[in-house]
Amino acid sequence: DGGITQSPKYLFRKEGQNVTLSCEQNLNHDAMYWYRQDPGQGLRLIYYSQIVNDFQKGDIAEGYSVSREKKESFPLTVTSAQKNPTAFYLCASSMSNPNQPQHFGDGTRLSIL
Amino acid sequence: GNSVTQMEGPVTLSEEAFLTINCTYTATGYPSLFWYVQYPGEGLQLLLKATKADDKGSNKGFEATYRKETTSFHLEKGSVQVSDSAVYFCALITNQAGTALIFGKGTTLSVSS
Repeated sequence: DGGITQSPKYLFRKEGQNVTLSCEQNLNHDAMYWYRQDPGQGLRLIYYSQIVNDFQKGDIAEGYSVSREKKESFPLTVTSAQKNPTAFYLCASSMSNPNQPQHFGDGTRLSIL
Repeated sequence: GNSVTQMEGPVTLSEEAFLTINCTYTATGYPSLFWYVQYPGEGLQLLLKATKADDKGSNKGFEATYRKETTSFHLEKGSVQVSDSAVYFCALITNQAGTALIFGKGTTLSVSS
């Protein structure tokens, strides 16, 4: 089945530690996205990538980094510079044509130890 | 800039009641509009979409009509079920290449039997 796989489902971070969230898709989509979801704030865009080896900052990129070395993969690193990382992180992908809907993974919940 | 405004929840209804969740938008050009649904602990699923004025999106008994004159895309269902309890997000994407979805803050629906 085609889809988006995020792992792990739950992740814990210690103070000062970097952690990486995985996102893999087999939909042959060009574009991939990372969102952060906090209660009552909806989804906020962290980073997105329209093509391999290229990505752009979203609205809340500070304290995060990404890479896009392969079309299928768009890992997100939450660095120690992100002081409030506890949230639900959602990865999405879409065709790069305008007006295309995004398809979402099941999310990763990150908590601080 | 582009934005989406949804009615604040939670919305609490009895089974078989009529549902309306209001959504209005601000956007340049002619965006496409979407409703997504999120069940507890899961990612977002596309519920329905409309890509031009007067289009009606429909799925699983839910409907929404793209109203350009009122910049609205209200979600409706004639008879809700307990299984419809979830968070609903209205979203838009512009027809400019390289842009991501813009989400409203979400509306929580709780249906009791």
